[in-house]
Amino acid sequence: SYVLTQPPSVSVAPGQTARITCGGNNIGSKSVHWYQQKPGQAPVLVVYDDSDRPSGIPERFSGSNSGNTATLTISRVEAGDEADYYCQVWDSSSDHPGVFGGGTKLTVL
Amino acid sequence: EVQLVESGGGLVKPGGSLRLSCAASGFTFSSYSMNWVRQAPGKGLEWVSSISSSSSYIYYADSVKGRFTISRDNAKNSLYLQMNSLRAEDTAVYYCARARSTTGTTYWFDPWGQGTLVTVSS
Repeated sequence: SYVLTQPPSVSVAPGQTARITCGGNNIGSKSVHWYQQKPGQAPVLVVYDDSDRPSGIPERFSGSNSGNTATLTISRVEAGDEADYYCQVWDSSSDHPGVFGGGTKLTVL
Repeated sequence: EVQLVESGGGLVKPGGSLRLSCAASGFTFSSYSMNWVRQAPGKGLEWVSSISSSSSYIYYADSVKGRFTISRDNAKNSLYLQMNSLRAEDTAVYYCARARSTTGTTYWFDPWGQGTLVTVSS
């Protein structure tokens, strides 16, 4: 089955740019979706189809996907961005198509 | 407002059964695929199961296949997860989530319910 690999943690100072990666075999050929989860809350979609933002998500959140790595970029990081972030793909060739990465804890220093 | 509300969680002994429900409102439930996703305490998200809008296509994670059954009642705007032969490792918060797609070949999950906690312990 398809495997997505994320770094366990990323740290960044307020106002700087955070980049969270999601690795997978030829992931550039798939669409990648990203979720933010704060403690005690349900996940919230922040990027879908590699780089599209749902309504209500700040422009500071952006995504890219090429080769074997997809990246969620958060510009001008704020304290409120501290959360766990998960990438996800739908592997339509599989009998169990839903796949999540292991998650990345973003710490705002 | 699009809303998903899960219920049915609780404490169950190993080997026992539980049925989760997810009540949907604010959208045309019968037009969307739906999913269950779980999260063990302190762990990441794990996709569990998916059901298409008309129940024609159903998928399960290997970890639950043969023990869990997903179903839906479009007349009642409700999604279900029947969980049998429960194990300690099934302990988790279970979320229902609506599937969205623009192409029909990839799906993302939006929105999510608030989750219901299932604890499997003797």
